[in-house]
Amino acid sequence: DTGVSQDPRHKITKRGQNVTFRCDPISEHNRLYWYRQTLGQGPEFLTYFQNEAQLEKSRLLSDRFSAERPKGSFSTLEIQRTEQGDSAMYLCASRAARQETQYFGPGTRLLVL
Amino acid sequence: AQKITQTQPGMFVQEKEAVTLDCTYDTSDQSYGLFWYKQPSSGEMIFLIYQGSYDEQNATEGRYSLNFQKARKSANLVISASQLGDSAMYFCAMREDFDQTGANNLFFGTGTRLTVIP
Repeated sequence: DTGVSQDPRHKITKRGQNVTFRCDPISEHNRLYWYRQTLGQGPEFLTYFQNEAQLEKSRLLSDRFSAERPKGSFSTLEIQRTEQGDSAMYLCASRAARQETQYFGPGTRLLVL
Repeated sequence: AQKITQTQPGMFVQEKEAVTLDCTYDTSDQSYGLFWYKQPSSGEMIFLIYQGSYDEQNATEGRYSLNFQKARKSANLVISASQLGDSAMYFCAMREDFDQTGANNLFFGTGTRLTVIP
């Protein structure tokens, strides 16, 4: 049973650059979530997909952030014009319909210099 | 107001002993779920245990049990027979079932760092 995978695991970029992260959920999980975790904090919700539809976005998701899930399978999270405050761990989670538990991927650690 | 409060930034436990990690929550919903996740230094969030608000029995999963006290709005995690590999951050989280957004996303606390001493 393959778990949630994320790529890359680590990303270092310069301020102002664009970055894109990928998440592959557990197969047959139609719900997909993105969270952001900053140092010393718990994860905070960013956005939610049900199949290919993006149904909810947190106020944390500024207009520099965009997420897609084009075929209801993998998802991408893009950050444009990165800022140092974007440095964080970006976590993806998936859940099956009628199941309680969200399963998380290993995360992508972003460092913006 | 914080939905999840974890008041213990750090805890120490002797190997083979039991330890309790505290979690209190705040919700006006009648239907909700409570979760505990473990986060090793590698960063991945590992699901440990789940308790539904209507579950009458405390949840147990191997060495993990959840001490659910609904009236007190607490959901403490008990780890029995601690092992060195239990050293990690532990996060309590809640999902509200009547989420107007439909996302049913998780709200996390700030975590407790557990260190198991040999």
